[in-house]
Amino acid sequence: EVQLVESGGGFVQPGGSLRLSCAPSGFTFRSYGMNWVRQAPGKGLEWVSYIGTGGSVTYYADSVKGRFTISRDNAKNSLFLQMNSLGAEDTAVYYCAREGHGYSTIDYWGQGTLITVSS
Amino acid sequence: QSVLAQPPSVSGTPGQRVTISCSGSSSNIGTNSVNWYQQLPGTAPQLLIYGNIHRPSGVPDRFSGSKSGTSASLAISGVQSEDEADYYCAAWDDSLNGYVFGVGTKVTVL
Repeated sequence: EVQLVESGGGFVQPGGSLRLSCAPSGFTFRSYGMNWVRQAPGKGLEWVSYIGTGGSVTYYADSVKGRFTISRDNAKNSLFLQMNSLGAEDTAVYYCAREGHGYSTIDYWGQGTLITVSS
Repeated sequence: QSVLAQPPSVSGTPGQRVTISCSGSSSNIGTNSVNWYQQLPGTAPQLLIYGNIHRPSGVPDRFSGSKSGTSASLAISGVQSEDEADYYCAAWDDSLNGYVFGVGTKVTVL
């Protein structure tokens, strides 16, 4: 069974930094691209970032480009999102999500971790 | 920002057919496949339809997807009370190099 477990959420002041982690299980992590997707309270889904299987290919939403960095450690089965210069607009539940094979599809999602940016 | 247009809400009585539209552009739906997600209250999204028309195992066959040009649709044939949820369409956008989502459609079963 595919599982994705996020951690690292919490409260942070404006301008601060936070690092999210995702622990995958139930599949061969190094064979799949991965995404981060967020959802502000009461709002819709917003894609944040993608990383390819080897870690060298990365994409970012314009809203986070230059502030967030996605990375992965295939040896340790871990996905990360380093978030800097956080603002109130970054308050959201952040989901770790697997990129499916064969189609451009996000096929599995974690349960999410809440980031609250507030003074 | 949401690039795909969806109606904010649709409703139907149990057993009715309801449809949700999703409109995009040549750089997303026009070029790439469409996925649909169901988000039940307080839970993470779950994949409902991928590759425009395909259902993952375990998804009831009352859910179906279609695509034509730069638009797509999700149909629920015989909507049930447990289908009350938010539904999102999504597609990869070649211009943005990222996924774009619809604003979401709330399905209410009257």
